[in-house]
Amino acid sequence: GENVEQHPSTLSVQEGDSAVIKCTYSDSASNYFPWYKQELGKGPQLIIDIRSNVGEKKDQRIAVTLNKTAKHFSLHITETQPEDSAVYFCAGFSGSARQLTFGSGTQLTVLP
Amino acid sequence: DTEVTQTPKHLVMGMTNKKSLKCEQHMGHRAMYWYKQKAKKPPELMFVYSYEKLSINESVPSRFSPECPNSSLLNLHLHALQPEDSALYLCASSQAIQAPGANVLTFGAGSRLTVL
Repeated sequence: GENVEQHPSTLSVQEGDSAVIKCTYSDSASNYFPWYKQELGKGPQLIIDIRSNVGEKKDQRIAVTLNKTAKHFSLHITETQPEDSAVYFCAGFSGSARQLTFGSGTQLTVLP
Repeated sequence: DTEVTQTPKHLVMGMTNKKSLKCEQHMGHRAMYWYKQKAKKPPELMFVYSYEKLSINESVPSRFSPECPNSSLLNLHLHALQPEDSALYLCASSQAIQAPGANVLTFGAGSRLTVL
């Protein structure tokens, strides 16, 4: 089955700096890669996603890049703000497994 | 309406109790999911319903019993739970379970369960 590894497990940045979270996946058949943000006491919220036929996608301060050859994808947050502080999960969707496999999560702290 | 609503938000139960968690969505999604999430861990898939039929059961103990009465509702019946079952139980939905563009999950806020 699919295995998704996520790094780092914790990340602290100064407000205004950029943050990068990286994930690797094992199943070459995976074709959909969402990123979820989970704030304390809430369910995960989809913030951006990318499909395997696209190399990069951007939405305001958030961008995701995908390298299918190397089987890794990354989340980039620019001009970080304190409200970006949360746990971020990457995930990979394999059509054969019909389910998402989540990474282990990254606790992002943006220091004012 | 782009929400998944879960009730109750918090539940405390003894090991001999029977309780239920409820989930509702009105987005016309035909796939609904139950996930279990322990503190500082990613969500773990428990069950998937597709068109009101159980599609995936990730070897979950029988003390957890899912039910999908209709396309908008999903229940999780709890009986004889153990303290280690204490966790955040998340419901999610998607348009379908396997189709391009259809596997985007929308999560509810979760039901925090404590088993004494």
